Amino acid sequence: ETGVTQTPRHLVMGMTNKKSLKCEQHLGHNAMYWYKQSAKKPLELMFVYSLEERVENNSVPSRFSPECPNSSHLFLHLHTLQPEDSALYLCASSLVKRDEKLFFGSGTQLSVL
Amino acid sequence: GESVGLHLPTLSVQEGDNSIINCAYSNSASDYFIWYKQESGKGPQFIIDIRSNMDKRQGQRVTVLLNKTVKHLSLQIAATQPGDSAVYFCAENRRDGNEKLTFGTGTRLTIIP
Repeated sequence: ETGVTQTPRHLVMGMTNKKSLKCEQHLGHNAMYWYKQSAKKPLELMFVYSLEERVENNSVPSRFSPECPNSSHLFLHLHTLQPEDSALYLCASSLVKRDEKLFFGSGTQLSVL
Repeated sequence: GESVGLHLPTLSVQEGDNSIINCAYSNSASDYFIWYKQESGKGPQFIIDIRSNMDKRQGQRVTVLLNKTVKHLSLQIAATQPGDSAVYFCAENRRDGNEKLTFGTGTRLTIIP
């Protein structure tokens, strides 16, 4: 176990659905991240939170909406997604934002029909 | 353009043999490099890192070599075991005010029993 837990592990949703991905870390870290992992593509950084403040948003479409209520929890709210959004969504945390040693969760495999 | 890439998408190695996974980077400002391992159904896991002021760093059964002249990074795994089967990613970071961890596409290592 990495200390970063993601739920659900698998999610199938229609394009008109609203769903949320959840991430929880038990490491006492101050930075949390959302990454998108698609087949044969590098990991794509989506959002970065540092001390509950969003510090980076890498031109992610508004149909993805992150939320960080406290330093241990991170959500990704999904609304009206497209089939090309199907991917593995990984949550990660690090002690501080500038720490490159990321601890990843096991991800949520998302399929958009 | 800026990129971090791996030479081979797949690599098969006999159990007990040594394996070498290669990675090339293009940004001369990169000064920190990391290798991650991702097993099936799991998120990436930190293996070893190296800073640009070093040429070599050793861990348990793993060695990372950095050749800054040709912008090349390699991960050597000694006496491979079945549990080493996974996708291996290199990642780089740079300290030029735009710190962002950039991942490669990964090499799938298969250990043949």
